[in-house]
Amino acid sequence: DAKTTQPPSMDCAEGRAANLPCNHSTISGNEYVYWYRQIHSQGPQYIIHGLKNNETNEMASLIITEDRKSSTLILPHATLRDTAVYYCIVTRILTDSWGKLQFGAGTQVVVTP
Amino acid sequence: NAGVMQNPRHLVRRRGQEARLRCSPVKGHSHVYWYRQLPEEGLKFMVYLQKENIIDESGMPKERFSAEFPKEGPSILRIQQVVRGDSAAYFCASSPGGIRGSDTQYFGPGTRLTVL
Repeated sequence: DAKTTQPPSMDCAEGRAANLPCNHSTISGNEYVYWYRQIHSQGPQYIIHGLKNNETNEMASLIITEDRKSSTLILPHATLRDTAVYYCIVTRILTDSWGKLQFGAGTQVVVTP
Repeated sequence: NAGVMQNPRHLVRRRGQEARLRCSPVKGHSHVYWYRQLPEEGLKFMVYLQKENIIDESGMPKERFSAEFPKEGPSILRIQQVVRGDSAAYFCASSPGGIRGSDTQYFGPGTRLTVL
């Protein structure tokens, strides 16, 4: 699976949008971009995923560049409860590495009042 | 609609004892995954199972660790003769199975194993 690069940390003011970048320049055509977050040692929480098109759900929006080499997770109105480590994961589907999520170090996001 | 359930949430064992961690997947999910998070480290994949089959155990330590997902009942991660280095958070995830594309994994709250 392709490697991802994320900034180690970022701060965000409560109520503002948080834009979390992720670089995945070696992504292949059959690889999805997934975002999870982990709030203080709880189980990872699924946020959103996409293949080519931008995606939006009740939690966040995912913007994937046209060449698919990078993406941005957008939390539209950050709250204190969004403080967590955010993981960008690229995973291949229907191959030998099916099912194996490879978590990197992620981005520690701290939302401040 | 219950999510992934894991029990116990906390488990304390002495060196040399056995640890059994249980995972009940989301109702209707037939795929189960186990991950381990050592203190101050990231999550690492251990094993991927479907009902009665181990699909990928490339992340499992070669000795003392085993996993099963029987036809009936929860998935079990078993650690024999635990050592202090096994102290970690063990997370289970489940997914419905890939159908023409992505297969999202949903995680449980984890079991925190402490080996004295």
